Amino acid sequence: GQQVMQIPQYQHVQEGEDFTTYCNSSTTLSNIQWYKQRPGGHPVFLIQLVKSGEVKKQKRLTFQFGEAKKNSSLHITATQTTDVGTYFCGENRDDKIIFGKGTRLHILP
Amino acid sequence: NAGVTQTPKFQVLKTGQSMTLQCAQDMNHEYMSWYRQDPGMGLRLIHYSVGAGITDQGEVPNGYNVSRSTTEDFPLRLLSAAPSQTSVYFCASSQYSGNTIYFGEGSWLTVV
Repeated sequence: GQQVMQIPQYQHVQEGEDFTTYCNSSTTLSNIQWYKQRPGGHPVFLIQLVKSGEVKKQKRLTFQFGEAKKNSSLHITATQTTDVGTYFCGENRDDKIIFGKGTRLHILP
Repeated sequence: NAGVTQTPKFQVLKTGQSMTLQCAQDMNHEYMSWYRQDPGMGLRLIHYSVGAGITDQGEVPNGYNVSRSTTEDFPLRLLSAAPSQTSVYFCASSQYSGNTIYFGEGSWLTVV
């Protein structure tokens, strides 16, 4: 069935450092969606990738979809305290989305 | 435009009690779903619906019932609450399959 694995589960970075989280699947993904959840909040949609090798940028965030469509990454350049939260990926298919377990990002001042 | 509204926000139940978490959306979305979130487990799909009158099971459906009598509402029923159902519950909706999912603000449930 649908399953995506996210690594790492936790990440602590100094403010200003870069951060990357990875989303991997054993099967080819039709798409990948990324969401961000602030502490105490609800998940909020960030982006969807559909095409093989696709790269999209949102300010300091860069999203990539692998050539084989089996993995994806989210890279944040020069982290800020506002980046704190949990980042989830998931494939939206067959009328539902199954999420990975998420990567929790902590920013050290 | 309120988006996805969940009630109650906080609830404490005793083991064996039943209750219903309410979810309503005003975006005329066809697709609605319920997730639970536990530490270290991420978001797990409980039940989902692709339209009024249609529901299906997700990853962790046991102990929960749903119905979808209208497009707007998708209540989640706990039949006999257990401590293992202590969690944060999120309702979500999307316009159609594969589209952006909008989440409610969550319902914090504690079963003692």
